[in-house]
Amino acid sequence: EAGVAQSPRYKIIEKRQSVAFWCNPISGHATLYWYQQILGQGPKLLIQFQNNGVVDDSQLPKDRFSAERLKGVDSTLKIQPAKLEDSAVYLCASSLRWQGPYEQYFGPGTRLTVT
Amino acid sequence: EDQVTQSPEALRLQEGESSSLNCSYTVSGLRGLFWYRQDPGKGPEFLFTLYSAGEEKEKERLKATLTKKESFLHITAPKPEDSATYLCAVQAQGSARQLTFGSGTQLTVLP
Repeated sequence: EAGVAQSPRYKIIEKRQSVAFWCNPISGHATLYWYQQILGQGPKLLIQFQNNGVVDDSQLPKDRFSAERLKGVDSTLKIQPAKLEDSAVYLCASSLRWQGPYEQYFGPGTRLTVT
Repeated sequence: EDQVTQSPEALRLQEGESSSLNCSYTVSGLRGLFWYRQDPGKGPEFLFTLYSAGEEKEKERLKATLTKKESFLHITAPKPEDSATYLCAVQAQGSARQLTFGSGTQLTVLP
């Protein structure tokens, strides 16, 4: 069974530029999550989708971050404009359903460096 | 607000030297407690889910236990390949389904 796929793996941009990350969840998983992991910390949830609807985006900085999950499969997370403090690893995860507690499976992440 | 505290932050063991990692949590009704392993440059890898106090789960050299306030990850006779960061996360009852993670314990097993 293929795991969660993410691209790109690494990205370096200057502050005030925009960037987008892509995620393809495990086949059949209805729930998709985007996390931000700052070095030395645990992942922090940014947004959670059930199929193509948003379940929780309370911790998403909506003035600069946006995310969509068209057709309930792939998802894209965008940052515009980026700030220095956005430097982190962005992890995508998926689970069978969101009514818990179902384990979440993570992709390899995208390491973003903002200079 | 749900909180997860892991200790120690870092742990160095000799190969074969057993030890335990601690995860203390406060949550408004626990739905599940999760343990993950994270290798450098990779995403977290799922290990265990624990649902209620008194529950235990094992996988190879790892054993996870749960009480009403904390969870332990016991590592028996570790090998160098067990070196990784171990993350603990909780999911609360109620409408919120998000996982709240601790900062992890970085384990190094020396040959």
